[in-house]
Amino acid sequence: DIVMTQSPDSLAVSLGERATINCKSSQSVLYSSNNKNYLAWYQQKPGQPPKLLIYWASTRESGVPDRFSGSGSGTDFTLTISSLQAEDVAVYYCQQYYSTLLITFGQGTRLEIK
Amino acid sequence: QVQLQESGPGLVKPSETLSLTCAVSGYSISSGYYWGWIRQPPGKGLEWIGSIYHSGSTYYNPSLKSRVTISVDTSKNQFSLKLSSVTAADTAVYYCARQIDHGGWFDPWGQGTLVTVSS
Repeated sequence: DIVMTQSPDSLAVSLGERATINCKSSQSVLYSSNNKNYLAWYQQKPGQPPKLLIYWASTRESGVPDRFSGSGSGTDFTLTISSLQAEDVAVYYCQQYYSTLLITFGQGTRLEIK
Repeated sequence: QVQLQESGPGLVKPSETLSLTCAVSGYSISSGYYWGWIRQPPGKGLEWIGSIYHSGSTYYNPSLKSRVTISVDTSKNQFSLKLSSVTAADTAVYYCARQIDHGGWFDPWGQGTLVTVSS
């Protein structure tokens, strides 16, 4: 199984400041044949389903504000919110889809306003 | 615009079978993509249950495989989840979602339905 570990578990950031969430996989999710990282990021607000933000580790989903960006490769990934807005308060999850036998998510990172 | 909506009993007794259906609108399941089920126990993280292709081919989370059946009904444009021998540990919000590929991200998601396992 590919275990996804996010850090920190919770994070408080001031409005307008940068928020950084990390995701580490227990094995590489970089597929060498196409040089793509099989990793996605989601945002989940209270009482709502998860919403796709990023796929292929750094490709922003259509309609997602450009303050959200994804980076990293292999086993270490980062979701960055460049300037935190009030509406960004949520829990964020990473997901690997490298292993088609078992798709796994990180445990989630709760983002709050300081 | 693709929309998914889960439906089914909100309360299931221990040892019985949980059955949910996901109705898809705005897209024909027969046209492609995989379709998945994911659950989230109250206050906890996300767990992938399994996925199905429109042809009916399935793949399941190995930890649940012995209890899970996912099926598709293209005539009704819906797919279904059955989870047998449920216990309190199966209490969760169950989501259905479109999956980009066999092994891929999920988008969009249904609103989710809470299923409580209790006598």
